[in-house]
This record gives sequence, structure tokens and C-alpha cells, in this order.
Amino acid sequence: ELKVEQNPLFLSMQEGKNYTIYCNYSTTSDRLYWYRQDPGKSLESLFVLLSNGAVKQEGRLMASLDTKARLSTLHITAAVHDLSATYFCAVVNYGQNFVFGPGTRLSVLP
Amino acid sequence: EAQVTQNPRYLITVTGKKLTVTCSQNMNHEYMSWYRQDPGLGLRQIYYSMNVEVTDKGDVPEGYKVSRKEKRNFPLILESPSPNQTSLYFCASSSDRVGTYEQYFGPGTRLTVT
Repeated sequence: ELKVEQNPLFLSMQEGKNYTIYCNYSTTSDRLYWYRQDPGKSLESLFVLLSNGAVKQEGRLMASLDTKARLSTLHITAAVHDLSATYFCAVVNYGQNFVFGPGTRLSVLP
Repeated sequence: EAQVTQNPRYLITVTGKKLTVTCSQNMNHEYMSWYRQDPGLGLRQIYYSMNVEVTDKGDVPEGYKVSRKEKRNFPLILESPSPNQTSLYFCASSSDRVGTYEQYFGPGTRLTVT
């Protein structure tokens, strides 16, 4: 059974600081996704990582994938308040069976 | 505008009263999924469909039914809702046209079963 873990589950950080969210999963997968969810809203796709060593960057967020370690990271650089949200990673088990992590709730404080 | 729509957005019902939540996408996507979101558990996939008349169970299919008679629509049916199905439900669609299977989510349906 594929399990996806994220840590931390809650993260409170100051503006301007850097931090990393970790996503690890228990069985082999060739696709990993990161999503953002604002309170009361739907999910927005951030990154799609399709191969070992893949790195994607958008603004202050950078995601990477190590398929051998079954680990993905979402790195936040110089956080700003607008990044406050819940971040989910998701891994494909088989076919279109997506398994999500529990989410990391990020609060960026002034 | 490319989008996934769900109806209704909010629903309060009673135990045992059959209900259907509709999902429609206008992007001609082959793949569609239903998820439920509960605090602390992330999203859990209920069912998914890889094309018309092709559906498969996700991780929490008990108590739910789906059908995919048309490519654009993927309704979620609760034949006899129970309070433990109170949750926030999301529909999503995706395509393999660019090889990413990136999912686009609907706005969500908040269901309360009393």
C-alpha cells in the first residue's frame, strides 16, 4: 500500500526566511505533484515532477524529486505572506490512482 | 474558460436520502477523479475514470458509485448517505496530452449528512 508522508505538518515562519517541506512515499512511483490550497478554496497545481533529479522552480518555490530516496522537497526562499497556504504532495500509485500526503499548513508571519 | 464545475457547492441532507453530485469539465480530458478531503487526512481518492465507461476504485470507494457515460461528465452518487460521508468533495480532470497528467480541480462540494 502506497503511503505518502509530509513533514512538517504545520510550519510557522517569518517573512524573509527559507525553509523546506519534505514529502516521502513508500513505494516506487514515476510521478509526483505539488499542490497549493488556500483556506476555503480548491487545489491549484504547482509542480509536476516526472523523473529522478527533476527540479522545477516558480518564483520563491522550488521543487525537486529523488526517486531513489522516494523523497521530494519543496523549498521556500525568502518567504512572503502570500505564500501562506496548505501544500500537498501527491504520488501516482498505478493508472490514475493518486495518493496525497496529509498536507503542510504554512503560515508566514510578518 | 477551461474549467471543472461541480454542483451543488453546498448540500445538507439526511441519512439515507440518495443524492448525486455532478462534475463537468470542458477541456476534453480523458481522466476524471473524485476525492474527499477531511481534516488531517489530505485528499483521498474515491473513484477515477480513464475514459467513457471505464471507471476504477480509488482508496475509499465504499458507499459511493460513479458513472461515466459522457466524456465531460462524471457524477458521484451516494445511494444511502451516512454521517461519516460528511466531507468536502473535489472532482478533478486531467489529460496525458503533454505527458504530465496534471489535474485540474473543481471548486468543491461541501456535504453534510445529518
